[in-house]
Amino acid sequence: KNQVEQSPQSLIILEGKNCTLQCNYTVSPFSNLRWYKQDTGRGPVSLTIMTFSENTKSNGRYTATLDADTKQSSLHITASQLSDSASYICVVSAFGNEKLTFGTGTRLTIIP
Amino acid sequence: DSGVTQTPKHLITATGQRVTLRCSPRSGDLSVYWYQQSLDQGLQFLIQYYNGEERAKGNILERFSAQQFPDLHSELNLSSLELGDSALYFCASSVGTSGLYNEQFFGPGTRLTVL
Repeated sequence: KNQVEQSPQSLIILEGKNCTLQCNYTVSPFSNLRWYKQDTGRGPVSLTIMTFSENTKSNGRYTATLDADTKQSSLHITASQLSDSASYICVVSAFGNEKLTFGTGTRLTIIP
Repeated sequence: DSGVTQTPKHLITATGQRVTLRCSPRSGDLSVYWYQQSLDQGLQFLIQYYNGEERAKGNILERFSAQQFPDLHSELNLSSLELGDSALYFCASSVGTSGLYNEQFFGPGTRLTVL
């Protein structure tokens, strides 16, 4: 069964600090992995998308890594800002399968 | 702004009633997806349409139905509403149906409150 697990479930850090969110998946055969940011009450917004041949992808202060061998991905946020407070969702796609598998997300809170 | 529009933004209704949520995809996108997100829950996939045809089905209740029209907009119909149907309903659209071509762009959502 295709699954995506994220950790931690929630995280609180001080403004300006860095943090790393984890995503483990069992989706097969793997096609691509996306990280979305969802502000409370808003629709998710794509941060990065990576295929199996990509190890790292950056979008400003967000850097995603992918290890297709261990089926793990991480999202690293550098110099966090208050506006980074949101849920971060890992989404994995399998080849030839339209259905995406969503993680339950990590709720990140940045405090001043 | 993702380019996906949803109406209405908020909807308050009573148990037993029926409502219709509307979604217009991004220009050029042929796929439309519907998701339900209850309080503090993850996104639950309901149903997908591609170019007017149902493509994939998720955890959609029999009381719910959807369709995609020739102009590619989509409607989600929720009937015999129960308190537990209160949630955010998101629509997303993508160019295609699989791989990189189904990167989904989400609308702002419709918040449904059933009293």
